[in-house]
Amino acid sequence: DAKTTQPNSMESNEEEPVHLPCNHSTISGTDYIHWYRQLPSQGPEYVIHGLTSNVNNRMASLAIAEDRKSSTLILHRATLRDAAVYYCILRGNSNSGYALNFGKGTSLLVTP
Amino acid sequence: NAGVTQTPKFRVLKTGQSMTLLCAQDMNHEYMYWYRQDPGMGLRLIHYSVGEGTTAKGEVPDGYNVSRLKKQNFLLGLESAAPSQTSVYFCASSYSGGLVGDTQYFGPGTRLTVL
Repeated sequence: DAKTTQPNSMESNEEEPVHLPCNHSTISGTDYIHWYRQLPSQGPEYVIHGLTSNVNNRMASLAIAEDRKSSTLILHRATLRDAAVYYCILRGNSNSGYALNFGKGTSLLVTP
Repeated sequence: NAGVTQTPKFRVLKTGQSMTLLCAQDMNHEYMYWYRQDPGMGLRLIHYSVGEGTTAKGEVPDGYNVSRLKKQNFLLGLESAAPSQTSVYFCASSYSGGLVGDTQYFGPGTRLTVL
């Protein structure tokens, strides 16, 4: 299965943009890049996903490198409520099965 | 829409006791999943279901059983609880499963302690 690598933790100031990186150098051509986050004491929630083009939704933006070996989740204005563990997950033919492979993710700390 | 709900939120068991965790979803999803999350770790799939009346094993199925008698409900049973089953249990559901665009919706979790 293709694997992802994320920093263990990151810190941001409130109301500033946050760029959360994810490396996936062995990604296959049919793998989608998904992001989930888990707020403290809650279940994970879907954030965004994409294949090749950059994607935007109300929560965040996803920037995908041209060679697709890395991607970046962008929170445009971090709030205290965005403090969570963010997981970058590959889904596709190279990652068979029904489970989401969460890994350890990046713990984002947002300070006032 | 309540989304995915789990009952109970907390439970303490003694070794050897049994219990059932209930998951319910009101999104008419075909696929449902049970995960466990241990401290400092990601989620691991216990069992899943691809439709009413069907269940299958995930990554860590030992010590657990499941049933999906109704489309909206997915039950996780522990027949003889062990301290190693102390964990937070999350239920999830999705419209389609194992597909690239599939989004899983998670419940709030059940915190289980086995003494």
